[in-house]
Amino acid sequence: QKEVEQNSGPLSVPEGAIASLNCTYSDRGSQSFFWYRQYSGKSPELIMSIYSNGDKEDGRFTAQLNKASQYVSLLIRDSQPSDSATYLCASASGRRALTFGSGTRLQVQP
Amino acid sequence: GAGVSQSPSNKVTEKGKDVELRCDPISGHTALYWYRQSLGQGLEFLIYFQGNSAPDKSGLPSDRFSAERTGGSVSTLTIQRTQQEDSAVYLCASSLDGGKEKLFFGSGTQLSVL
Repeated sequence: QKEVEQNSGPLSVPEGAIASLNCTYSDRGSQSFFWYRQYSGKSPELIMSIYSNGDKEDGRFTAQLNKASQYVSLLIRDSQPSDSATYLCASASGRRALTFGSGTRLQVQP
Repeated sequence: GAGVSQSPSNKVTEKGKDVELRCDPISGHTALYWYRQSLGQGLEFLIYFQGNSAPDKSGLPSDRFSAERTGGSVSTLTIQRTQQEDSAVYLCASSLDGGKEKLFFGSGTQLSVL
């Protein structure tokens, strides 16, 4: 079992819709969670971090964390074609480096 | 520098040859990470440096892989006797004080082993 699991997609949504990206993790010691966006041929860039249960909002992005269910999600409101990318979920535990999932490819259709 | 710099950007080598990949982190960042990414896959952790020491090198896939960091700055990832399965993009990232708040990634080295 991978430590961080994501559906590879592609997840296809129409422009203006809400995109919902999900991630589960296996290490109950994980304390911090991150969403990175990676455009094709580019390096990942951080878009959201979340540390406690509940929701965290930043512009059109909302990260949700449920530690009891070991579940992290990212909602993108009013999706734009420019949001089309691969979204990588990552978790951090203690002194270990970030562990990444394999990513979900999002396609926003104009 | 302004960002994480990696060189070379592309490397084509023959099976069995050794290669060295270089990473120059953001000035002042004490933590440095190496990941690799195969086509269409996620990031596979290789090794993490805090200063010049490596608290976590659990991701190195075999003893053909080694890395060092000198002066708390530049790091070199060495792959000996390269194999075709080593072909991937090797990404370096750095962060301030080892915090996991934000990793800044370099543009990567595309390694192709023929």
